[in-house]
Amino acid sequence: AQRVTQPEKLLSVFKGAPVELKCNYSYSGSPELFWYVQYSRQRLQLLLRHISRESIKGFTADLNKGETSFHLKKPFAQEEDSAMYYCALTSYGQNFVFGPGTRLSVLP
Amino acid sequence: GAGVSQSPSNKVTEKGKDVELRCDPISGHTALYWYRQSLGQGLEFLIYFQGNSAPDKSGLPSDRFSAERTGGSVSTLTIQRTQQEDSAVYLCASSRDRNTEAFFGQGTRLTVV
Repeated sequence: AQRVTQPEKLLSVFKGAPVELKCNYSYSGSPELFWYVQYSRQRLQLLLRHISRESIKGFTADLNKGETSFHLKKPFAQEEDSAMYYCALTSYGQNFVFGPGTRLSVLP
Repeated sequence: GAGVSQSPSNKVTEKGKDVELRCDPISGHTALYWYRQSLGQGLEFLIYFQGNSAPDKSGLPSDRFSAERTGGSVSTLTIQRTQQEDSAVYLCASSRDRNTEAFFGQGTRLTVV
């Protein structure tokens, strides 16, 4: 069965510090991995997906199939990055499975 | 429309009443998803539509919950005989096809009193 875990419910870092939000998944096939973000009072929106291999708002995520991980990283956190972050997985013909989410708080 | 639209945005209902939640997906999107987000919890999958059919209903928590989609577009989620534990934000999302980016609506906040 597909499963996504995010071990940290809350992550607090100071502005300018590096940040890494962890995501691990279990799936036997070839999944598509995504990071979604929900800023305060806004709808959930896509941040990035692994097949795009792009950096969005300074965030990057690398799919590590050996470790079944898709950690989200940013070298220098900003206060506006404070939000709820969800890691998600899907595969052909399946629904999106979301992790429980990590609340990132960037302190001034 | 420009994005996924859900109505109503807020709904307060008495325990035992039935409620209908509506989702208008982005035009042309074939896949549609319903999720539930409870306070302090993550996203709980409810049901997934591909066109008008629902290949995965595994997340519906009880037989009080049902959903349909007509014309490959609008979907309604119905909760019968609502209970207090049904209180949550119900999110709808659509995607152009399977495995492509899912776009979310703003959600319907349901409060059962």
